[in-house]
Amino acid sequence: GAVVSQHPSRVICKSGTSVKIECRSLDFQATTMFWYRQFPKQSLMLMATSNEGSKATYEQGVEKDKFLINHASLTLSTLTVTSAHPEDSSFYICSARDGLRNTGELFFGEGSRLTVL
Amino acid sequence: AQSVAQPEDQVNVAEGNPLTVKCTYSVSGNPYLFWYVQYPNRGLQFLLKYITGDNLVKGSYGFEAEFNKSQTSFHLKKPSALVSDSALYFCAVRDMAGTYKYIFGTGTRLKVLA
Repeated sequence: GAVVSQHPSRVICKSGTSVKIECRSLDFQATTMFWYRQFPKQSLMLMATSNEGSKATYEQGVEKDKFLINHASLTLSTLTVTSAHPEDSSFYICSARDGLRNTGELFFGEGSRLTVL
Repeated sequence: AQSVAQPEDQVNVAEGNPLTVKCTYSVSGNPYLFWYVQYPNRGLQFLLKYITGDNLVKGSYGFEAEFNKSQTSFHLKKPSALVSDSALYFCAVRDMAGTYKYIFGTGTRLKVLA
């Protein structure tokens, strides 16, 4: 099956610094990628949808200047948490859709646990 | 608007017994339905999907799900549970408005007891 690689799996940073999380589709072209945030014992909260080569579409309540998303190629999307604060600590998961095969399901990365001190 | 409901926060089942994890949906038009599983501190793994065709869908690890249009349900089932099936299970429906957004249920934690 299609593989999505997400890096880093864990990151600890100081308050006020920025953190970049990468999401790569390894064996398919990800025309659309989604970024989710998951709080403990809760479901996935969709943060934004990104299409290759265009600006991300953010969900209501998600600060686009805080969570910068770039989808510069068909295999890479990045999420940058700018000026991170402890309340940004969470589990972030990316997923991708294979635009060519269009089989319907999403392929997920392994997630990145961000801890802001 | 599309929505998915998983009425049970947790399901406990003894090893070897059949398991069911419930999911109901609300969509306009024909639904694209999915089940995913999440192990601790991991991403989601695809289990199975219903798009069209047979109402009984077979997926990974011996799981299956039955699409029931009249009851708007898509329950996940397995004839004989394993301790290793213990995980968090998410039902999802795909937004058919062209955005390819997926709406996830709140998740059901399955605990299989030895």
